[in-house]
Amino acid sequence: DADVTQTPRNRITKTGKRIMLECSQTKGHDRMYWYRQDPGLGLRLIYYSFDVKDINKGEISDGYSVSRQAQAKFSLSLESAIPNQTALYFCATSDPRQTEAFFGQGTRLTVV
Amino acid sequence: QKEVEQDPGPLSVPEGAIVSLNCTYSNSAFQYFMWYRQYSRKGPELLMYTYSSGNKEDGRFTAQVDKSSKYISLFIRDSQPSDSATYLCAMSATSNYQLIWGAGTKLIIKP
Repeated sequence: DADVTQTPRNRITKTGKRIMLECSQTKGHDRMYWYRQDPGLGLRLIYYSFDVKDINKGEISDGYSVSRQAQAKFSLSLESAIPNQTALYFCATSDPRQTEAFFGQGTRLTVV
Repeated sequence: QKEVEQDPGPLSVPEGAIVSLNCTYSNSAFQYFMWYRQYSRKGPELLMYTYSSGNKEDGRFTAQVDKSSKYISLFIRDSQPSDSATYLCAMSATSNYQLIWGAGTKLIIKP
């Protein structure tokens, strides 16, 4: 089984719909992250969580929310999806020094 | 100006060539430097990790950090078609260990 599992892998949704992306990890790390990746822009941090009670905004959190249900689970929600949220989304987990981050396979989200 | 600059490419080279991938950065507090490799439709995976300055070698891969120039490099010797991927640099400071990413360079190795 993969260390970090994201569901769904692909999703097409309509503008204005609410959508949730889910992530679970088996590494046992406290730190979890949500990134989006766009061509030419690299990985941009949306939200990160150092433990179940510690959630922080990243550089592009507007339009997104997160929930840390357990040490192993971290979900990302788009409350009202818009087309410019079309992107590849990655969940990751790491040790406290981030010497190695482990990524999921990604969710390709298309908002039409 | 971004904290970490990386040419997105694509960089296309023939099989067997030596590849040089680079990133520049502006924050002198960065101490941890990493290279991740990302194959198409996959998540990034850690390839090399270096703390502070110097070189690190792992098989055909060598990572170099020049803190005086704020410049890091990844060299790939005897490049193979299987090395075709996007290579992302990432770095962090000991103050918060927050990873700052380059845009990634798409590398194509032609058989």
